[in-house]
Amino acid sequence: DTAVSQTPKYLVTQMGNDKSIKCEQNLGHDTMYWYKQDSKKFLKIMFSYNNKELIINETVPNRFSPKSPDKAHLNLHINSLELGDSAVYFCASSQEGWGIAKNIQYFGAGTRLSVL
Amino acid sequence: GNSVTQMEGPVTLSEEAFLTINCTYTATGYPSLFWYVQYPGEGLQLLLKATKADDKGSNKGFEATYRKETTSFHLEKGSVQVSDSAVYFCALSEQGGSEKLVFGKGTKLTVNP
Repeated sequence: DTAVSQTPKYLVTQMGNDKSIKCEQNLGHDTMYWYKQDSKKFLKIMFSYNNKELIINETVPNRFSPKSPDKAHLNLHINSLELGDSAVYFCASSQEGWGIAKNIQYFGAGTRLSVL
Repeated sequence: GNSVTQMEGPVTLSEEAFLTINCTYTATGYPSLFWYVQYPGEGLQLLLKATKADDKGSNKGFEATYRKETTSFHLEKGSVQVSDSAVYFCALSEQGGSEKLVFGKGTKLTVNP
């Protein structure tokens, strides 16, 4: 069974459209994340949710809105897509707790978004 | 703020060569340090970790030692294989249990037979 699964794997769309990427984890983790990886492989955190509550919100345009219906899901909705949004988006999760275990993150396989 | 600096890639080696990928960090306090690996077409996987000074993380023949005095966490492997070809990311987590990971820019390794 896939621990962290994202759908779709590939997403090709036109500028100005609205799209969503879904993420689910079956690890029982309390915290989930969205990262953006650009064409140079640079990886930067966008959002983090803990038990459906937003805890990290980096400087991301408000066209990006995460939604967490329950602690096993963290979806990413993007409005009015722009060319610069083209990237690979990774979902990840980690376990609540203290110490090192809390910071071991498990990643999905990524969603490659191409905005034309 | 906290940051991680990795050596620029790409790195190309022949099979059985020795690998070093340099990583230095800037952080307040005592962060935990990680190496993640991303194989082609996949998400990141934890390779190894260290939580305090002088700790050595190891996995799959890779090693890295947490050096507080030089703020470094260099990744090494004595004999690389073609299957080690991937992008390697150094990362730190902030002290105090924050969930935030700060990643370096990644180093692409290609190992030729």
